[in-house]
Amino acid sequence: DGGITQSPKYLFRKEGQNVTLSCEQNLNHDAMYWYRQDPGQGLRLIYYSQIVNDFQKGDIAEGYSVSREKKESFPLTVTSAQKNPTAFYLCASTTYQGYEQYFGPGTRLTVT
Amino acid sequence: SQQGEEDPQALSIQEGENATMNCSYKTSINNLQWYRQNSGRGLVHLILIRSNEREKHSGRLRVTLDTSKKSSSLLITASRAADTASYFCASNDMRFGAGTRLTVKP
Repeated sequence: DGGITQSPKYLFRKEGQNVTLSCEQNLNHDAMYWYRQDPGQGLRLIYYSQIVNDFQKGDIAEGYSVSREKKESFPLTVTSAQKNPTAFYLCASTTYQGYEQYFGPGTRLTVT
Repeated sequence: SQQGEEDPQALSIQEGENATMNCSYKTSINNLQWYRQNSGRGLVHLILIRSNEREKHSGRLRVTLDTSKKSSSLLITASRAADTASYFCASNDMRFGAGTRLTVKP
């Protein structure tokens, strides 16, 4: 089965700790994306990568970091510099930017 | 920056009725996409319409695109309770609007 997996589904952390969210895809897609969604809101683009070893900031990259060492993997680190990290995080991939995106099930991060 | 803006923010209808949602965008696009999100889940792609297309159908879905007005609409015909979800539009720059929350009452 091809698809995108995100783990874990729920994540709890103490304020001041960095936390890394996992995103893996076996769709052989070149482009991958991270979005943040707050309750009742739309998606905001954090980072995206169109090719291995390259990534670009989205609209709300401050306090986040990413890496793209493998085509299949695009982990997102939420650093202690992110002022309000509690949110639902969604990862997506596509064969080519601008076309149908496939989304993972999301990770709900709660920081207290 | 947010490219797509959906309207209305919320819509409540009875089962069997049609639901129409609108999306406006700001800059030129190559295509526009509509997605659906059930509560607490990832988004699912519904339909993509290219900038040179005016209308597209997929099952009970009908999407129109007016590039002169920078707007698109999604029509769901003969709605079902299972259509209850949030619906988002996105342009080819992968920016999403705030979505329309559709509730279909049985």
